[in-house]
Amino acid sequence: EDQVTQSPEALRLQEGESSSLNCSYTVSGLRGLFWYRQDPGKGPEFLFTLYSAGEEKEKERLKATLTKKESFLHITAPKPEDSATYLCAVSTGFQKLVFGTGTRLLVSP
Amino acid sequence: KAGVTQTPRYLIKTRGQQVTLSCSPISGHRSVSWYQQTPGQGLQFLFEYFSETQRNKGNFPGRFSGRQFSNSRSEMNVSTLELGDSALYLCASSLFGSGANRAYNEQFFGPGTRLTVL
Repeated sequence: EDQVTQSPEALRLQEGESSSLNCSYTVSGLRGLFWYRQDPGKGPEFLFTLYSAGEEKEKERLKATLTKKESFLHITAPKPEDSATYLCAVSTGFQKLVFGTGTRLLVSP
Repeated sequence: KAGVTQTPRYLIKTRGQQVTLSCSPISGHRSVSWYQQTPGQGLQFLFEYFSETQRNKGNFPGRFSGRQFSNSRSEMNVSTLELGDSALYLCASSLFGSGANRAYNEQFFGPGTRLTVL
């Protein structure tokens, strides 16, 4: 069965304090690993897609990396507006995404 | 470019009733997927439609159904509502199609419909 595990469940950072979120996965055939950001009461916002081990993508203070078993979302010098739940998902075909339970990030000024 | 829209945004129903939710995908997107989000289970895949055909289905009872129209708009229906059906229902659209452009796989979510069953 395809599984996605995210850690930590919650993370509290001071503004400017860099850290990483982890997403480990077990799938029969990876067709893409996705990162989303979700704010309370809103739908997930697309951040990145990674397709093969060694791939990296960056967007502002965020950088996503992928290995054969896990992905990391690195947050460099975070700001309070980066506070949100970050969701990781894998696609195994026909647009079906299997999601992890997310990491709730709180960045304090 | 307008994003994915979902209507209504909020619904309150009672047990035993049925409900229909609507989703309009991003213009040009042909695939529409539906997800249920609850605090206990997180985001779970319901089903996916492409060119009016259901291609994939998650592990939900038959009370959950959907359809897609020729303009790619989609609806999902839940019959005989139960208290446990209270959730945020999210719709996502993507280009999807043949070819080497991997951007076809990227799914973009709407704001969701918050369903409360009393």
